[in-house]
Amino acid sequence: GQQVMQIPQYQHVQEGEDFTTYCNSSTTLSNIQWYKQRPGGHPVFLIQLVKSGEVKKQKRLTFQFGEAKKNSSLHITATQTTDVGTYFCAGPMIYNQGGKLIFGQGTELSVKP
Amino acid sequence: DGGITQSPKYLFRKEGQNVTLSCEQNLNHDAMYWYRQDPGQGLRLIYYSQIVNDFQKGDIAEGYSVSREKKESFPLTVTSAQKNPTAFYLCASSTGWGYEQYFGPGTRLTVT
Repeated sequence: GQQVMQIPQYQHVQEGEDFTTYCNSSTTLSNIQWYKQRPGGHPVFLIQLVKSGEVKKQKRLTFQFGEAKKNSSLHITATQTTDVGTYFCAGPMIYNQGGKLIFGQGTELSVKP
Repeated sequence: DGGITQSPKYLFRKEGQNVTLSCEQNLNHDAMYWYRQDPGQGLRLIYYSQIVNDFQKGDIAEGYSVSREKKESFPLTVTSAQKNPTAFYLCASSTGWGYEQYFGPGTRLTVT
């Protein structure tokens, strides 16, 4: 079945270091979405990428969508303690199933001050 | 303010009891979803609904039931048949296929 894999599962960094999480789909995606979940909180939508090779930036966060639209990455430059949380990627099912998204397992980021 | 509300935030029940979790949205979204999240785990889809009076099973529907009588509301009942009900339950909504989902604050259910 359609799967979305995300690596690494955990990442521990020193404040100021960079961080990257990778997302790979078993099938071509119409779009890729990224969410952030703070500890004890709920997932919050960050961004959606639609075009092949698309790159979007949000301050220190850079999101990329692969040329084949099967992989994506989120890169954080100079991490801060406010970046702590779990980052999920998600892509829609290839068939219309009520807007069902397939979520990756998430990458949990911890930042040591 | 527009958004999704879930209540209560924390819920405690005895084993063998059914419990209903509330989810309300005023975003005018057609699609609504229920997810379960266990510690250190990702999101697993329980049920979803594209439209009023219609819903489909997700990946882990056994032991759960839902209703969608109103566009704004999508309550989830955790029945006594659910073997491991203790978890964090998240409700979400979206405008439709492929669009971003907006999540409620979640309900932490503990069954002892």
